[in-house]
Amino acid sequence: AQSVTQLGSHVSVSEGALVLLRCNYSSSVPPYLFWYVQYPNQGLQLLLKYTTGATLVKGINGFEAEFKKSETSFHLTKPSAHMSDAAEYFCAVSESGGSYIPTFGRGTSLIVHP
Amino acid sequence: DADVTQTPRNRITKTGKRIMLECSQTKGHDRMYWYRQDPGLGLRLIYYSFDVKDINKGEISDGYSVSRQAQAKFSLSLESAIPNQTALYFCATSDFAGHEQYFGPGTRLTVT
Repeated sequence: AQSVTQLGSHVSVSEGALVLLRCNYSSSVPPYLFWYVQYPNQGLQLLLKYTTGATLVKGINGFEAEFKKSETSFHLTKPSAHMSDAAEYFCAVSESGGSYIPTFGRGTSLIVHP
Repeated sequence: DADVTQTPRNRITKTGKRIMLECSQTKGHDRMYWYRQDPGLGLRLIYYSFDVKDINKGEISDGYSVSRQAQAKFSLSLESAIPNQTALYFCATSDFAGHEQYFGPGTRLTVT
């Protein structure tokens, strides 16, 4: 069975500050891990993903995430927040070699203050 | 044009009414999914289909049904809508390897 926990339903940062959104997962097999972003009144779009290989994954808009197997984590970071980063962020996990149907976390709303 | 489209984008309906939400895709993917999003609960899977002849229940299928009319079309029906089905509904597609999902813009459904 697979599950995802996103710590913090809301994260507030100032423009220019570091963004850190936390995601921990549970999976009985090597996982595929994803971060999606949802802007207001839009569907979800892929920000970045980890399947195999390099554990530090770079995505769009300056975001990156690191797969840490020992900590079962896949935290999302961005060195400097921009006002346009304000959105809902979802972490998701699927099990490699299985049905590949992802389980989504409950989401974290990123608020960026000027 | 968008790869995954949903109609309608917004719908208000009354308790007990039957309603259908439609999804079309031009990605050429075999796999299609229906999710509902509720504040604080994330996305929950309602139904999924791996091809035209394969339909499976998800986490919260009670009160819903689906039809896969073609590879590109997957519709969700509420046979008798109830207020707690008020939510944002998303259709998504993926390829066979399931590396990522592609989402439609969503349908905001309100049941009064």
